[in-house]
Amino acid sequence: EDQVTQSPEALRLQEGESSSLNCSYTVSGLRGLFWYRQDPGKGPEFLFTLYSAGEEKEKERLKATLTKKESFLHITAPKPEDSATYLCAVQPQYSTLTFGKGTMLLVSP
Amino acid sequence: NAGVTQTPKFQVLKTGQSMTLQCAQDMNHNSMYWYRQDPGMGLRLIYYSASEGTTDKGEVPNGYNVSRLNKREFSLRLESAAPSQTSVYFCASSRDFRELFFGEGSRLTVL
Repeated sequence: EDQVTQSPEALRLQEGESSSLNCSYTVSGLRGLFWYRQDPGKGPEFLFTLYSAGEEKEKERLKATLTKKESFLHITAPKPEDSATYLCAVQPQYSTLTFGKGTMLLVSP
Repeated sequence: NAGVTQTPKFQVLKTGQSMTLQCAQDMNHNSMYWYRQDPGMGLRLIYYSASEGTTDKGEVPNGYNVSRLNKREFSLRLESAAPSQTSVYFCASSRDFRELFFGEGSRLTVL
């Protein structure tokens, strides 16, 4: 059974305080690992797809990395507008996504 | 581009009532999905449609039916609503099992 575990459940940072969110997974034949951002009262917004171990992708203050067992979302010098829930999902070959429960990030000024 | 549009955004039902959530996408995607999101449970797949004319059960299909009306539209029906179906429902679409694009959600309360 495919499983996705995200940690921590919640994270509070000061503006400018860099940190990382973790997504550990077990899946039979990974086709892709996805990161989403979700603001309160909104639908998830796509951030990144990672396909193979060693791959990295960046967008503004966010960088996602992938190993064979986990993915990290690194947040460098976060700003209050980075506050959101970050969701990780894995996709087995030719199948649907399995989502983790998310990490709620709060960045204080 | 509107992307994925869901209606209604809010709905309150009494136990036993029926209703249909509507979803439309304008991205020419083949695949469409219905998820529910509950506190502490994450996003769970109810039904999906890999392409026009096909539908398949997801993780939590009981109590729901779906219709892929055409390539753009995918509806979710609750025939006899139960309090356990109180949730936020998200429709999503994708191009052939790639990244999902979500709607804004439909917040349903069943009393």
